[in-house]
Amino acid sequence: AQSVTQLGSHVSVSEGALVLLRCNYSSSVPPYLFWYVQYPNQGLQLLLKYTTGATLVKGINGFEAEFKKSETSFHLTKPSAHMSDAAEYFCAVSPRKTSYDKVIFGPGTSLSVIP
Amino acid sequence: EAQVTQNPRYLITVTGKKLTVTCSQNMNHEYMSWYRQDPGLGLRQIYYSMNVEVTDKGDVPEGYKVSRKEKRNFPLILESPSPNQTSLYFCASTAGVADYNEQFFGPGTRLTVL
Repeated sequence: AQSVTQLGSHVSVSEGALVLLRCNYSSSVPPYLFWYVQYPNQGLQLLLKYTTGATLVKGINGFEAEFKKSETSFHLTKPSAHMSDAAEYFCAVSPRKTSYDKVIFGPGTSLSVIP
Repeated sequence: EAQVTQNPRYLITVTGKKLTVTCSQNMNHEYMSWYRQDPGLGLRQIYYSMNVEVTDKGDVPEGYKVSRKEKRNFPLILESPSPNQTSLYFCASTAGVADYNEQFFGPGTRLTVL
């Protein structure tokens, strides 16, 4: 069965510092990979996704993630944190199938940005 | 505007009092799901639906019911709520494999069962 782990339930960075949120998956076949962000009192919205092709994926708000098959990882980065980046971040995977299958979410990482 | 709507956004109820949380999407998506979000556990799927009148259990279906009589609507029903169902609930929809199963989420319903 597929699973997703996110190292660090809470990460704090200073404003302007690098943001690095870690995500690893377990799957015999690389799945579709997603990062979602949840701002306070809101639903989840898609930051970026990897399906095929270039392994470095750019998303909204300056975030990007790199798929590394050898490490089964899909870490999320942003060069310079902004106060507005404070939120909960979820990594998620979905199997590569020709039919519908569910998305599996990691436990989430809460990002705090210190002024 | 493409969106998933849920109502109510906040609900406080008492043990055993039946309630329904509504969900509607305007993207003509075939697939819809209900998730609950609990601290440290991420999102867990409760039920999902692959089309009208087609529903199936997710990972944590106990204590919940769903129905899909129309493509756009997917209500979540708690026949006899208990305090362990206090949680944040999200409805989501997707076009399925055509969109890599990318989920589109509603704003959430925060439920407290006393």
